[in-house]
Amino acid sequence: NAGVTQTPKFRILKIGQSMTLQCAQDMNHNYMYWYRQDPGMGLKLIYYSVGAGITDKGEVPNGYNVSRSTTEDFPLRLELAAPSQTSVYFCASRPVGGKLFFGSGTQLSVL
Amino acid sequence: QKEVEQDPGPLSVPEGAIVSLNCTYSNSAFQYFMWYRQYSRKGPELLMYTYSSGNKEDGRFTAQVDKSSKYISLFIRDSQPSDSATYLCAMSPLTQGGSEKLVFGKGTKLTVNP
Repeated sequence: NAGVTQTPKFRILKIGQSMTLQCAQDMNHNYMYWYRQDPGMGLKLIYYSVGAGITDKGEVPNGYNVSRSTTEDFPLRLELAAPSQTSVYFCASRPVGGKLFFGSGTQLSVL
Repeated sequence: QKEVEQDPGPLSVPEGAIVSLNCTYSNSAFQYFMWYRQYSRKGPELLMYTYSSGNKEDGRFTAQVDKSSKYISLFIRDSQPSDSATYLCAMSPLTQGGSEKLVFGKGTKLTVNP
């Protein structure tokens, strides 16, 4: 099993550009999450999904969108990128009643 | 007062030292407590979890919870250079299934010097 795979690993965006961060898991987990981690700060939940077709907002959803059309994939969309979205983004998944598995992260800079 | 407070360090110790990492919290509804380890440029991985006051041991690691003082600790005995990482505490008002309510500390960066 590859676990949780995130692409790309690094990206630089200009202000106002859009992009999609990809996340895929091959463990057949129902639950998937997107977090952001700013320097010296804890992880903040952006969006999560409890299964295909079901998504919900976390603590910091503004400026982001998600979709969950399959169990495996949970892409995060940034529209009109802003410098405040410069961060490291982590995707995670877990089975029902199980622990979180994190991907290796996407480091995003918005200049 | 923030829900979870964690001293970010950094903390630098010699190999073989005993390390103590700590978090305090304000929300008395927190019932489930975790420690994650995060190596540089990697995602966090669950190290230990507990839901009761007292100590829980796993090899060189001991997690301690004091709900009356709203204080949790992670002790590392005989620390090794491979323990060098950032350690994040996390807690939830629900059981493991409530990851949507998980609150993370800022993390403490630990360096163990050979």
